[in-house]
Amino acid sequence: DAGVIQSPRHEVTEMGQEVTLRCKPISGHDYLFWYRQTMMRGLELLIYFNNNVPIDDSGMPEDRFSAKMPNASFSTLKIQPSEPRDSAVYFCASSRGPGTEAFFGQGTRLTVV
Amino acid sequence: QKEVEQNSGPLSVPEGAIASLNCTYSDRGSQSFFWYRQYSGKSPELIMFIYSNGDKEDGRFTAQLNKASQYVSLLIRDSQPSDSATYLCAVNILNAGNMLTFGGGTRLMVKP
Repeated sequence: DAGVIQSPRHEVTEMGQEVTLRCKPISGHDYLFWYRQTMMRGLELLIYFNNNVPIDDSGMPEDRFSAKMPNASFSTLKIQPSEPRDSAVYFCASSRGPGTEAFFGQGTRLTVV
Repeated sequence: QKEVEQNSGPLSVPEGAIASLNCTYSDRGSQSFFWYRQYSGKSPELIMFIYSNGDKEDGRFTAQLNKASQYVSLLIRDSQPSDSATYLCAVNILNAGNMLTFGGGTRLMVKP
């Protein structure tokens, strides 16, 4: 398996623009997670899905953030409109079940100018 | 109190020494404990997991778990400069849907 695949690896956008991050989880993993990592706040869980259904989005910082998982092999995290404080590395991860190890994608480094 | 706590470091050890990384957690019901390593600019990668009290060894790495004290540690023997990274502790937290919660990480520096 190729592991968790994220795209793009880097994204630079202007404030106010829409940003869409993409993720393909490991086949057979029922859980998908979106994390954000910054120096100040570390690794924060934004939202997670179980069998394509959003379970907990309490970590999503604002209504500007939304996430979808239309099928078992694809998820998106959208920021609209983007702001400079959204600049961070966004990781997608997947796992087989609760309490099991999460496997991370390579991350998307987002810079909003 | 944070659910999973780590000293942010940096922890500096000389090459060849034992590095000891510590993590405490708040949920007494936690059952799964993981150590991830994250190199600068890279994603976290799993290096060890432990479920039972006691020690678990894998090469130069030993994970130690003490559920009564709500404490998990990672020992790295014969530390190498290539071990320099941030080490993240992750614990399943029952009131978080049994999902993994990560500590803030400890930055380890191994000096030649």
